[in-house]
Amino acid sequence: DAGVIQSPRHEVTEMGQEVTLRCKPISGHDYLFWYRQTMMRGLELLIYFNNNVPIDDSGMPEDRFSAKMPNASFSTLKIQPSEPRDSAVYFCASTSNPNFQGLYGYTFGSGTRLTVV
Amino acid sequence: TQLLEQSPQFLSIQEGENLTVYCNSSSVFSSLQWYRQEPGEGPVLLVTVVTGGEVKKLKRLTFQFGDARKDSSLHITAAQTGDTGLYLCAGAGNTPLVFGKGTRLSVIA
Repeated sequence: DAGVIQSPRHEVTEMGQEVTLRCKPISGHDYLFWYRQTMMRGLELLIYFNNNVPIDDSGMPEDRFSAKMPNASFSTLKIQPSEPRDSAVYFCASTSNPNFQGLYGYTFGSGTRLTVV
Repeated sequence: TQLLEQSPQFLSIQEGENLTVYCNSSSVFSSLQWYRQEPGEGPVLLVTVVTGGEVKKLKRLTFQFGDARKDSSLHITAAQTGDTGLYLCAGAGNTPLVFGKGTRLSVIA
């Protein structure tokens, strides 16, 4: 398996523009997570899906953020409109862990580095 | 909210030295994981500890889970330049993994 695949690797956009980040999880993994990483706040969970259904989006900072998972092999995270404070590295991760006991670990993608100017 | 505090935040050592980094919380976790992250990449799982007091070894790395399952430590013996990276601990419970902010380790030749 090629692992979790994210695109693009880097995105530079102007404030106010729409940004869409993409993720392909590992085949067979039932859970998909979107995390955001900054120096100040570390890795923060934004939203997660189980079997393509959003379970908890309480980490999504504002209504400007939205995420979808139309099928088991694809998810998107959209920011509209983008702001400079959204600049961060966004990671997608997946796992086949049947519960949250953490026995299997998460597999992360290489991330998308977003810069909003 | 479950929080994990990692210390030190930054660590720079010479090759061949030993070091220990810590992960502490006031919350009890079902298990605790350690990840290593290299620049431009996502975190990669190193180990999972499940039982209070458990010790796991991965070559030169020794991981310990506290008896009360609230804290953990990572000890590296004879550090090598290849050990350079960001070390993250993550707690598992009834919610998705909660991550500490990490210890950024730099091993200098």
